[in-house]
Amino acid sequence: DTEVTQTPKHLVMGMTNKKSLKCEQHMGHRAMYWYKQKAKKPPELMFVYSYEKLSINESVPSRFSPECPNSSLLNLHLHALQPEDSALYLCASSSRLAGITDTQYFGPGTRLTVL
Amino acid sequence: GNSVTQMEGPVTLSEEAFLTINCTYTATGYPSLFWYVQYPGEGLQLLLKATKADDKGSNKGFEATYRKETTSFHLEKGSVQVSDSAVYFCALSDRHTGNQFYFGTGTSLTVIP
Repeated sequence: DTEVTQTPKHLVMGMTNKKSLKCEQHMGHRAMYWYKQKAKKPPELMFVYSYEKLSINESVPSRFSPECPNSSLLNLHLHALQPEDSALYLCASSSRLAGITDTQYFGPGTRLTVL
Repeated sequence: GNSVTQMEGPVTLSEEAFLTINCTYTATGYPSLFWYVQYPGEGLQLLLKATKADDKGSNKGFEATYRKETTSFHLEKGSVQVSDSAVYFCALSDRHTGNQFYFGTGTSLTVIP
């Protein structure tokens, strides 16, 4: 099974709201990723967690706050977002096993609209 | 550094036509290469991959061969269907530079009956 699940599928929020996106995988993967994807563009990497530690933060504004409670779960906490943050947010995971091609498996995404 | 250059779209083909989407790369090490497909309103799905030179990845009638001499990984399918309409992304990952993925710009394919 190569399934990554994401909730919610759609989210509409105002600029003063606080909301969270959730991601879950049960493939035993030890790396998890958040990407932002605008229409007709490739995904842009936001954060990487490797073995539950934040290993990459691609200069993302502090209004996005990632959290990795355990090896299967990844959250993205949202606060005081701007309309330009409206996008598809994708979660991915990969095994990070030494000597193995690190293939990323993506979830279906959360379509976020900021009003 | 690492980068992927992908054929500009959009591409429109008739059903049963032959498909080629070009992808070339630059890499400092020995990357693995991937094709992902994104159907409307969905996330990215792994279509196929190749981990070393001369490897051929294949899935659902799609094929791509890792050509180190031309630094290419072109996607091909002999006979496309309407259901193949999607955006296709070429990507590379290099273990020696932290496994970060580098995506091409994506190629939108529309197949008409």
